[in-house]
Amino acid sequence: GAVVSQHPSRVICKSGTSVKIECRSLDFQATTMFWYRQFPKQSLMLMATSNEGSKATYEQGVEKDKFLINHASLTLSTLTVTSAHPEDSSFYICSASSGGFLYEQYFGPGTRLTVT
Amino acid sequence: EDKVVQSPLSLVVHEGDTVTLNCSYEVTNFRSLLWYKQEKKAPTFLFMLTSSGIEKKSGRLSSILDKKELFSILNITATQTGDSAIYLCRVTSGSRLTFGEGTQLTVNP
Repeated sequence: GAVVSQHPSRVICKSGTSVKIECRSLDFQATTMFWYRQFPKQSLMLMATSNEGSKATYEQGVEKDKFLINHASLTLSTLTVTSAHPEDSSFYICSASSGGFLYEQYFGPGTRLTVT
Repeated sequence: EDKVVQSPLSLVVHEGDTVTLNCSYEVTNFRSLLWYKQEKKAPTFLFMLTSSGIEKKSGRLSSILDKKELFSILNITATQTGDSAIYLCRVTSGSRLTFGEGTQLTVNP
């Protein structure tokens, strides 16, 4: 089956620093990758959708200058949280699809970000 | 605004029981409804439903979609402790994805 990895699985950083999270599709080409955020006991909130080689589409209310998304290849997307603050602490999950919205998404294991 | 509502929010049952989870939606230009199981980490895919009235089945799990009444149900028969998880419903509409709040299922031995 399709496997998606995320790195790191857990990161703690100081307020004001930037953190990069990687999402890789290991055995298929992901034309579309999705980034989600999940707060404790809440559902997944879609942050942005990225198609390989083009700019990401951000959901309403998500600051694109704060959450930089790059999808430079068919197997790698990165999310950089710039100038992180404690309120950015959350569980970030990526998913990948070989065909976009209508196709099944395969989720990564998630990254727990804690900003102190 | 697209809306996806799951019920119940939380359910505790004993092993062997059958459970039915609900997902209702109000969206523009419905395209598909997906069910996921989330244990400790990221969700895993269960079913994708696009057509009304066609049951999808996998082992003890089954799901069906009613596009007239705008809901889907996920059934789990003969529940086991390993079924304990959050079950998420996701609706794709137009170019949007909307998740429900999830149903926390706990199966006690």
